[in-house]
Amino acid sequence: SYELTQPPSVSVSPGQTARITCSGDALPKQYAFWYQQKPGQAPVLMIYEDSVRPSGIPERFSGSPSGTTVTLTISGVQSEDEADYYCQSADSSGSHVVFGGGTRLTVL
Amino acid sequence: EVQLVEAGGGLVQPGRSLRVSCVASGFTFDDYGMHWVRQAPGKGLEWVSGMSWNGGKVDYADSVKGRFTMSRDNAKNSLYLQMNSLTVEDTALYYCAKGTDPGETTILYAFDVWGQGTMVTVSS
Repeated sequence: SYELTQPPSVSVSPGQTARITCSGDALPKQYAFWYQQKPGQAPVLMIYEDSVRPSGIPERFSGSPSGTTVTLTISGVQSEDEADYYCQSADSSGSHVVFGGGTRLTVL
Repeated sequence: EVQLVEAGGGLVQPGRSLRVSCVASGFTFDDYGMHWVRQAPGKGLEWVSGMSWNGGKVDYADSVKGRFTMSRDNAKNSLYLQMNSLTVEDTALYYCAKGTDPGETTILYAFDVWGQGTMVTVSS
């Protein structure tokens, strides 16, 4: 079955740049999406179609695709950005949606 | 306000059935594909099932195929997930999520609205 691979954890100090990668063989054929989830809350869409930021999402969040890897970049990390981040995509047939295992972002 | 409200979760014994539902408001329900996503306690997100705007295209995760059935009633702005032959591995918070397209193509689009979830606990 199709899988997306993310690092389990990333740690950065406030004001630094955090980069979270997501790898999957079908990423060149399907869009990738990023969701933020804080404890006890539903996921929130942060990036769609690889690199588009929904309205209301701070400009410090950006997404970039490169072959079979997509990257979520958070520039100038703030304490409120501490959360779990999930990438999402689909297999090449579009019949199976997949989430990465999630990355816990810790702001030191 | 765009909103999704799930209901129907609870405690159920292994091997039994349960149906959870989701009521949508604040948008034209039958314009969009819809999905169910679950999250086991302390674990990550797992997509369960997705359905196109008219129910013509429905897909399931391998882990639930043959046991779960997704349906929708556009007249009632409602989404359903019938879960049969439940196992302890099905214990999770079940979220309803709105797609951003009709859901008829092979290209996945984002889930832009999520409910707060309904908890399903499978235990003897």
